[in-house]
Amino acid sequence: EIVLTQSPGTLSLSPGEGATLSCRASQTVSNRYLAWYQQKPGQAPRLLIYGASSRVNGIPDRFSGSGSGTDFTLTISRLEPEDFVVYYCHQYGSSPQTFGGGTKVEIK
Amino acid sequence: EVQLVESGGGLIQPGGSLRLSCAASGFTFHYYSMTWVRQAPGKGLEWVSSITGSDGAIYYADSVKGRFTISRDNAKESFYLQMNGLRIEDTGVYYCARGGLAAAVTYWGQGTLVTVSS
Repeated sequence: EIVLTQSPGTLSLSPGEGATLSCRASQTVSNRYLAWYQQKPGQAPRLLIYGASSRVNGIPDRFSGSGSGTDFTLTISRLEPEDFVVYYCHQYGSSPQTFGGGTKVEIK
Repeated sequence: EVQLVESGGGLIQPGGSLRLSCAASGFTFHYYSMTWVRQAPGKGLEWVSSITGSDGAIYYADSVKGRFTISRDNAKESFYLQMNGLRIEDTGVYYCARGGLAAAVTYWGQGTLVTVSS
């Protein structure tokens, strides 16, 4: 099983600042099958990035993904008030699929 | 518009059974793998099970293997999760989702709450 470790657990930043979220895998994620989701309280997650770096249609371009192998990053270039929620990475390249524990982005 | 609507959640005693259903619409159902993901109260996401669209290949998390059964009915554009031998730690919101192995989860249902408690 591929274990995904997200860091930091909580990120305290101000609106307008940039955010860098990390997702480290215990083994290589095949074919860069790594996704990032955003989850707001009381809602289902929403897909932001798939294939490590492909942004979903309609997702603002301040969200970008990068990485390969075992190290992946979600970058939010300028935080908007609605971005202060929880983010999860997910590897879907091998079974069992796994999610990271999440990073909460909170207002400083 | 893609829609996924779960049903079947509720309060059940430990050791009991529940069957979750997910009705899909807005896309060619039999083309896609479908997945169940759960979230315990205040916790993160956990992948539970997936089933492919083409050959019906099935995958389970170790935590549910032997207790849960995923299935689909392409004619009804629905898929299911039969949950037997429920444990307290199975409590959470269960989401049905479109996606699977080699396919990110692009659409999610609203979730259905399963509470296992005596």
